[in-house]
Amino acid sequence: NAGVTQTPKFRVLKTGQSMTLLCAQDMNHEYMYWYRQDPGMGLRLIHYSVGEGTTAKGEVPDGYNVSRLKKQNFLLGLESAAPSQTSVYFCASIKAGTGNTIYFGEGSWLTVV
Amino acid sequence: GIQVEQSPPDLILQEGANSTLRCNFSDSVNNLQWFHQNPWGQLINLFYIPSGTKQNGRLSATTVATERYSLLYISSSQTTDSGVYFCAAYRDDKIIFGKGTRLHILP
Repeated sequence: NAGVTQTPKFRVLKTGQSMTLLCAQDMNHEYMYWYRQDPGMGLRLIHYSVGEGTTAKGEVPDGYNVSRLKKQNFLLGLESAAPSQTSVYFCASIKAGTGNTIYFGEGSWLTVV
Repeated sequence: GIQVEQSPPDLILQEGANSTLRCNFSDSVNNLQWFHQNPWGQLINLFYIPSGTKQNGRLSATTVATERYSLLYISSSQTTDSGVYFCAAYRDDKIIFGKGTRLHILP
């Protein structure tokens, strides 16, 4: 049982390049989330999804797009990377309903130069 | 949307001391959870606690939902307790984190 897996774990991008981060979960969870973590800022919600084919904006959605074509995968895209998007990105998933625990991936370190 | 505030932002303690970390949230929540982020960046689930009190070894947590706050207690601190502690509030399908409390335990 792999839980939540993020790829890639490390990436260096040039300003203006595009890339996609993949989050995969094997727990059949309905809800999935993308966060970014910056020093002193905690985890800020970028986008989230409550089910296959649905996505919604979080606290800091600008500059990012997401897709949830399959229930197990949640993709985060940067169309034109900017230095301000240098951050650590975390994916999380949780089963719908009350009393359930959120599971996190190990993080993806992204540097935009 | 819901706001989550944690205090203090930083805390330095000697090994063996006790500590209390606080989490305030601006609106009613469906759930509240506490996490520890270790020095390698891994997020560790501590407590799922929408209300009431739970204990796990030297750690315990209390959430008073009607007053919109939660407390995390760490007793007899050890150096391995160092790291950042986050609370996260669940509401309207969103999970919103506070900015965390950075805890340093000195040997």
